[in-house]
Amino acid sequence: DTEVTQTPKHLVMGMTNKKSLKCEQHMGHRAMYWYKQKAKKPPELMFVYSYEKLSINESVPSRFSPECPNSSLLNLHLHALQPEDSALYLCASSFTGLNTGELFFGEGSRLTVL
Amino acid sequence: ELKVEQNPLFLSMQEGKNYTIYCNYSTTSDRLYWYRQDPGKSLESLFVLLSNGAVKQEGRLMASLDTKARLSTLHITAAVHDLSATYFCAVDMGHKLVFGAGTILRVKS
Repeated sequence: DTEVTQTPKHLVMGMTNKKSLKCEQHMGHRAMYWYKQKAKKPPELMFVYSYEKLSINESVPSRFSPECPNSSLLNLHLHALQPEDSALYLCASSFTGLNTGELFFGEGSRLTVL
Repeated sequence: ELKVEQNPLFLSMQEGKNYTIYCNYSTTSDRLYWYRQDPGKSLESLFVLLSNGAVKQEGRLMASLDTKARLSTLHITAAVHDLSATYFCAVDMGHKLVFGAGTILRVKS
């Protein structure tokens, strides 16, 4: 299994809603990532979990809350988002948490905030 | 802070022609990756370059890395329409990847 699976693929939410994005991998990777990508821009790193501990938070607003329940799962909890948070949210994993290494990306969750 | 510059940012190519995309970066790194992204889709790993002088080839694409010059190239040989996509280089800083702005490639028949 060489996949990173993200759900849902599309999400529309209001600014007062609470929702979550989910990511799963079964490759035995020990690092998992959340990236945000706006149209025609490169992915921007949001969070890194290494061995199930948050190792990098790129100064992301608190309305985004990551969670890593175990080494295979990564969630991104969303609350009180703004329309400018609409983007493609990409989950990725890599083999080791010690150095980044090659990232394997999921298909992404396209988020629209109304 | 690491800067990763790709050029060109947009490339319109005729089928059958050759061209090169350049990726320059500002600080030392021995690891660089190339990804492809189709519109509305995720990123697909193309090449992993892990040392100075590394060269990898897959089909009509060939990537190389010169860590002394802090330069990677992605060479396209005899372009075909299926290669139309956005190509990103990403430099490994050890604790994270830093992506270039991306090169939008359009191959015209």
